[in-house]
Amino acid sequence: AQTVTQSQPEMSVQEAETVTLSCTYDTSENNYYLFWYKQPPSRQMILVIRQEAYKQQNATENRFSVNFQKAAKSFSLKISDSQLGDTAMYFCAHMDSNYQLIWGAGTKLIIKP
Amino acid sequence: SAVISQKPSRDICQRGTSLTIQCQVDSQVTMMFWYRQQPGQSLTLIATANQGSEATYESGFVIDKFPISRPNLTFSTLTVSNMSPEDSSIYLCSVGEARNTEAFFGQGTRLTVV
Repeated sequence: AQTVTQSQPEMSVQEAETVTLSCTYDTSENNYYLFWYKQPPSRQMILVIRQEAYKQQNATENRFSVNFQKAAKSFSLKISDSQLGDTAMYFCAHMDSNYQLIWGAGTKLIIKP
Repeated sequence: SAVISQKPSRDICQRGTSLTIQCQVDSQVTMMFWYRQQPGQSLTLIATANQGSEATYESGFVIDKFPISRPNLTFSTLTVSNMSPEDSSIYLCSVGEARNTEAFFGQGTRLTVV
């Protein structure tokens, strides 16, 4: 069965620091897609970053970047220069061949002023 | 991209009643998904609703409890039937079009059953 594991239930860092959220997954597919979503208290799910498995280059979106290790099935998210607005739940997700998203349990990230 | 309007945003309902949640998309989409999310927890897929076919339910969810309609490519409803306090949760609709694009989400419906 395909699974996504986020081993950090909660993390807390000071504003402007760098933080890394971990995610591992399991799949038998060779071509797939991985996502990080952010869910602030407003409940709105927001895409942070997307990685296509056939691309070796790590995806980057401004302050957000990933460390994608395909062989290790690892997909961590690095947030640089963290801001108070980054406080949210962060979910790692894998999209399967049926277009369904397999979700991790989430990491609650708190940015302290 | 797709903009999704989900209604109602929240409701408090009496046990034994039913609530229908609406999901309206500003563009035609093939796949729509309905999720349940307990506060502070991850998303659990209830069913996949594709236009022109019956909804496909995940293990633990049945059509009698969560009937879904998908009359066209821009609209879907999820009904939570014969509600009990255990149904109190956040319900989210989501749309997707292709594997290499993001899934878009509605704002969610916070349901409280008393």
